[in-house]
Amino acid sequence: DAGVIQSPRHEVTEMGQEVTLRCKPISGHNSLFWYRQTMMRGLELLIYFNNNVPIDDSGMPEDRFSAKMPNASFSTLKIQPSEPRDSAVYFCASRQFTSGEKLFFGSGTQLSVL
Amino acid sequence: DAKTTQPPSMDCAEGRAANLPCNHSTISGNEYVYWYRQIHSQGPQYIIHGLKNNETNEMASLIITEDRKSSTLILPHATLRDTAVYYCIANTGTASKLTFGTGTRLQVTL
Repeated sequence: DAGVIQSPRHEVTEMGQEVTLRCKPISGHNSLFWYRQTMMRGLELLIYFNNNVPIDDSGMPEDRFSAKMPNASFSTLKIQPSEPRDSAVYFCASRQFTSGEKLFFGSGTQLSVL
Repeated sequence: DAKTTQPPSMDCAEGRAANLPCNHSTISGNEYVYWYRQIHSQGPQYIIHGLKNNETNEMASLIITEDRKSSTLILPHATLRDTAVYYCIANTGTASKLTFGTGTRLQVTL
């Protein structure tokens, strides 16, 4: 298996632009997570899905952030409009219910908002 | 999740055992102890988890005290590639969310 695949690997954009991050979980996994990591705040959970349904989005910073999971093999995290404080590394992770909290992480998207 | 406390940093000489402690004094009976690590600029990587008994796999050993209030992750022969931030997390393991703390930054040196 190729593991969790995230794209793009790097994204540089200007303030006010829309940004879309993409994630393909490992085939057969039931849950998908979006995390954000910064030096100041560490690794923060933004939202997670079970069976494509959002379960907990309490970590989503504000209405500018939205996440979707239209099917079991694809998810997006959208920021509109983007702001410089959104600059961070965004990680996607997936797991199988039967494996407890054994998450598999992607390589992340390094987002820079200028 | 029960709160976990880890030292912010540790050093270890290459080839020696690295023993990373974690305190989880308020852990409940149904919470597992999970360990992850994050090598610079990569996503976190699952290492091992346990409930009551000691566990061992190809990466590490996990020693949990009898009262379950603390645990130790052991890397038996640390290498430079083990330099990373190590996270200890208490969680019920029932398909819920996983919250990371600040972890321990392990530096393995020659």
